[in-house]
Amino acid sequence: DAKTTQPTSMDCAEGRAANLPCNHSTISGNEYVYWYRQIHSQGPQYIIHGLKNNETNEMASLIITEDRKSSTLILPHATLRDTAVYYCIVRANYGGSQGNLIFGKGTKLSVKP
Amino acid sequence: DAGITQSPRYKITETGRQVTLMCHQTWSHSYMFWYRQDLGHGLRLIYYSAAADITDKGEVPDGYVVSRSKTENFPLTLESATRSQTSVYFCASSESRQGSNEQYFGPGTRLTVT
Repeated sequence: DAKTTQPTSMDCAEGRAANLPCNHSTISGNEYVYWYRQIHSQGPQYIIHGLKNNETNEMASLIITEDRKSSTLILPHATLRDTAVYYCIVRANYGGSQGNLIFGKGTKLSVKP
Repeated sequence: DAGITQSPRYKITETGRQVTLMCHQTWSHSYMFWYRQDLGHGLRLIYYSAAADITDKGEVPDGYVVSRSKTENFPLTLESATRSQTSVYFCASSESRQGSNEQYFGPGTRLTVT
């Protein structure tokens, strides 16, 4: 199983970009990079995912290095409501247990005024 | 559009009692999941279901039973609750595995076993 390494915690000033790194050096060719976040006392929320190319949606951008061994989630203009634990997960889109998401400890992002 | 709901939101029960946590989704998603979240362990998968009448074990299935007679419902039963099952339980659903592993989570059920 591919595993991910994320910093335990990060701070970001409100209105600035938050860049959350993730290392996944053992990622396989068919595994995607997923990002979820969990705001305190709520269920996790899907943010974005990608395979090789950089991706952007209304919530964030995902930058994946060319060798796919690391990625960065970018929240372009962080707000106080973005304070949460952010999980980076690598997983293949299989139907069986190989496709199940495995949540690690994530990065606790604190956005400060 | 209710999405995915869980009930009850809070439950206190005694050791040895049977308790059922309910999960209902309105999207007709094929996949449904049950996770538990404890301090120091993060989210761990208990059971999942690929479709009605198809269920499979996750990482921590012992002490739990699931069923999926209808696509929209995925109840989780603790047949004889133990204190170690005190946790926050999250239900999730996803449309399929082919294009995306995007899961939608419910608000959670906080269960305390005394």
